[in-house]
Amino acid sequence: AQRVTQPEKLLSVFKGAPVELKCNYSYSGSPELFWYVQYSRQRLQLLLRHISRESIKGFTADLNKGETSFHLKKPFAQEEDSAMYYCALTEGGSNYKLTFGKGTLLTVNP
Amino acid sequence: DAGVIQSPRHEVTEMGQEVTLRCKPISGHNSLFWYRQTMMRGLELLIYFNNNVPIDDSGMPEDRFSAKMPNASFSTLKIQPSEPRDSAVYFCASRSTGRTEAFFGQGTRLTVV
Repeated sequence: AQRVTQPEKLLSVFKGAPVELKCNYSYSGSPELFWYVQYSRQRLQLLLRHISRESIKGFTADLNKGETSFHLKKPFAQEEDSAMYYCALTEGGSNYKLTFGKGTLLTVNP
Repeated sequence: DAGVIQSPRHEVTEMGQEVTLRCKPISGHNSLFWYRQTMMRGLELLIYFNNNVPIDDSGMPEDRFSAKMPNASFSTLKIQPSEPRDSAVYFCASRSTGRTEAFFGQGTRLTVV
């Protein structure tokens, strides 16, 4: 069974500090990993996906298959980054299941 | 496209009453998901459909919960009878085959008193 673990429920940093939101997964095949973000009073939206290998709003995430991790990083946090972040996994291909972690609430203080 | 549309946005009901949540996926999307969001459990997958067929309902908490997708443009999640512990935000999401990004609705905030 696929599982996504986000060990930190809350994370608080100061503006300009580096931030790392942790995500570990368990799945025996080749999953597709995503980070979704939910700003206050808004719907969840895709932030980035591992297959794109892109940087969005200064965030990057590298899939580490050896450690089964997909941590989200940003070198200099901004106040507008404050939001709920969810790591998600899908098996891809013809399997449609999309499983989320419990989420990490990031607060960036001025 | 207006995106995934959920109704109602807010629902307050008394314990024991039936509650029906509605979702209109993005046109052309053939996978639909229902999630429940709470502080304690985060985002739980309740059930998902592909081409209107339920594929996995193992996340549905109890027999009080049921979901249907009578056609490609409409799905319902029903709770009968509702209980206070069902209070949560319920999200619907859809995506198309071949693209793995899911698009979410704005959610229905359910309060059972």
